[in-house]
Amino acid sequence: DTAVSQTPKYLVTQMGNDKSIKCEQNLGHDTMYWYKQDSKKFLKIMFSYNNKELIINETVPNRFSPKSPDKAHLNLHINSLELGDSAVYFCASSQDSSGAYEQYFGPGTRLTVT
Amino acid sequence: GENVEQHPSTLSVQEGDSAVIKCTYSDSASNYFPWYKQELGKGPQLIIDIRSNVGEKKDQRIAVTLNKTAKHFSLHITETQPEDSAVYFCAASKTGGGNKLTFGTGTQLKVEL
Repeated sequence: DTAVSQTPKYLVTQMGNDKSIKCEQNLGHDTMYWYKQDSKKFLKIMFSYNNKELIINETVPNRFSPKSPDKAHLNLHINSLELGDSAVYFCASSQDSSGAYEQYFGPGTRLTVT
Repeated sequence: GENVEQHPSTLSVQEGDSAVIKCTYSDSASNYFPWYKQELGKGPQLIIDIRSNVGEKKDQRIAVTLNKTAKHFSLHITETQPEDSAVYFCAASKTGGGNKLTFGTGTQLKVEL
């Protein structure tokens, strides 16, 4: 069974569109994250939720809105997509937000904005 | 905020040789230092980590060392194999930071036959 899964794996869309990426973890973890990996492979955290509550909100345009319907799911909605949003987006989870446990990453969603 | 620098950006070694990747961090409060391996088309996977109360940790062919005074930590891979070829990332975080990982810029390791 996949521990952290994301859908879709690939997403190609045009500028100005709105799209969502979904993430699910079956590890029973309390904390989930969204990371962005740019074309130079630089990984940067965007958001983190602990038990459905937002705990990390980095300097990200407000076109990006995370939503956690329950602690096993963390979705990322992006409005008015721009060329610079093209990247690979990774979801991750950890047992809690204490820092005592490792983060498990999903396979990534490659978003291409044309 | 935390800043993590990683060197080298690319590293090519012959099979069987050792590989060393180095990172420095800026926030003296950081106390957790994981290393992730990312294979092509996949998500990062934790390979080893170290906490600030330990100076060295080893797991088979992989070891990590930490120098808190100098704010340096390094990944050592011995007897490299072709399957070690991947991008390696170091990262740092601190207690109370919500488990926020700050990543280095990555090292592309190529193990040649």
